[in-house]
Amino acid sequence: TQLLEQSPQFLSIQEGENLTVYCNSSSVFSSLQWYRQEPGEGPVLLVTVVTGGEVKKLKRLTFQFGDARKDSSLHITAAQTGDTGLYLCAGAGSNYQLIWGAGTKLIIKP
Amino acid sequence: DTAVSQTPKYLVTQMGNDKSIKCEQNLGHDTMYWYKQDSKKFLKIMFSYNNKELIINETVPNRFSPKSPDKAHLNLHINSLELGDSAVYFCASSHLFQGAEAFFGQGTRLTVV
Repeated sequence: TQLLEQSPQFLSIQEGENLTVYCNSSSVFSSLQWYRQEPGEGPVLLVTVVTGGEVKKLKRLTFQFGDARKDSSLHITAAQTGDTGLYLCAGAGSNYQLIWGAGTKLIIKP
Repeated sequence: DTAVSQTPKYLVTQMGNDKSIKCEQNLGHDTMYWYKQDSKKFLKIMFSYNNKELIINETVPNRFSPKSPDKAHLNLHINSLELGDSAVYFCASSHLFQGAEAFFGQGTRLTVV
């Protein structure tokens, strides 16, 4: 069974600080996605990483796919209150099914 | 121009009732999904349909029955509702290839009392 573990489960920091959240698995994924979910809404895709070692930047967000395509990280620089939300990673499994992590709930305090 | 729309957004009902949640997508995707998100925010897939055919059917009680009248619609009917069915149910759609982006509806918050 493919599983994705996200850590930490919960993170509360002050505006302006940096943070990193992780998504780990013992399985290899052909691609991995990061989504952000805000209260009362469905998850929205932030990025898809495909190649081992790939790094993608989206403004203050930096996403990295592990060399072995088993893990990924999301780093946020100078966090803002608008970054508050639930961050979910999802790996492309067999049968085109997305395998979801449990999420990291991020709160950025003003 | 909502891409994936599901109704209702909120549903409060008594134990034992039967209810349906409707979902429609206007993105031209060939695959639609139903997910359940519990109070701990864990997103668990329930069903997936590709071109109106069931391709994923996770371990879900028989009381849950999806119906796909066409590629743009995937409805979820729940019989004999139980307290444990309370959760947020998300409909999503995507193309069917590895790494395809999933587009989600706003969710239906089901509360069984």
